[in-house]
Amino acid sequence: GNSVTQMEGPVTLSEEAFLTINCTYTATGYPSLFWYVQYPGEGLQLLLKATKADDKGSNKGFEATYRKETTSFHLEKGSVQVSDSAVYFCALSNQAGTALIFGKGTTLSVSS
Amino acid sequence: EAQVTQNPRYLITVTGKKLTVTCSQNMNHEYMSWYRQDPGLGLRQIYYSMNVEVTDKGDVPEGYKVSRKEKRNFPLILESPSPNQTSLYFCASSGSWSPFTYEQYFGPGTRLTVT
Repeated sequence: GNSVTQMEGPVTLSEEAFLTINCTYTATGYPSLFWYVQYPGEGLQLLLKATKADDKGSNKGFEATYRKETTSFHLEKGSVQVSDSAVYFCALSNQAGTALIFGKGTTLSVSS
Repeated sequence: EAQVTQNPRYLITVTGKKLTVTCSQNMNHEYMSWYRQDPGLGLRQIYYSMNVEVTDKGDVPEGYKVSRKEKRNFPLILESPSPNQTSLYFCASSGSWSPFTYEQYFGPGTRLTVT
């Protein structure tokens, strides 16, 4: 079945540093890929998505490109802020389209 | 404001005492789902519903029940809670679900502790 693997955390960065969180997937067909973010004490929010190969999703300075050849969807941001401190989840739909399959989450902590 | 609401947000209970966590969405979404979040395991689906009166098991349904009598509500029922059901629970809804375009909106979460 479909699955997703994302890098273990926590990731600790200084403000304005470059961020990469790796995500690779295994899937049948061509599922949409997602990054969700969970701020402390809150539910998950969709950060960005890509629906087909070579698509680039972007939002709030974050970007991720759907790479079919490397089965990857790495999250990047050029200059992180303290307010970006959160848990980030990579996700894709299961084969039946009845659920999202999430990675285990990567905790990002940004200090000023 | 479009949203998914859950109640209660926090609950401490004892083993065996039946409880219900409510979930409601105001977006007229057909699809709703429950997940639990545990450290090191990420989010796992408990149950989902594709429409009124249509529900099905997710990956970890044991010990849970759901019902979907109205489109907007999808309560999660624990008939006899046990300590291994201590977790953070999220309700989610989606107005469009296909294997290729699938986006869900999440509630704020319910933190349940069973002693």
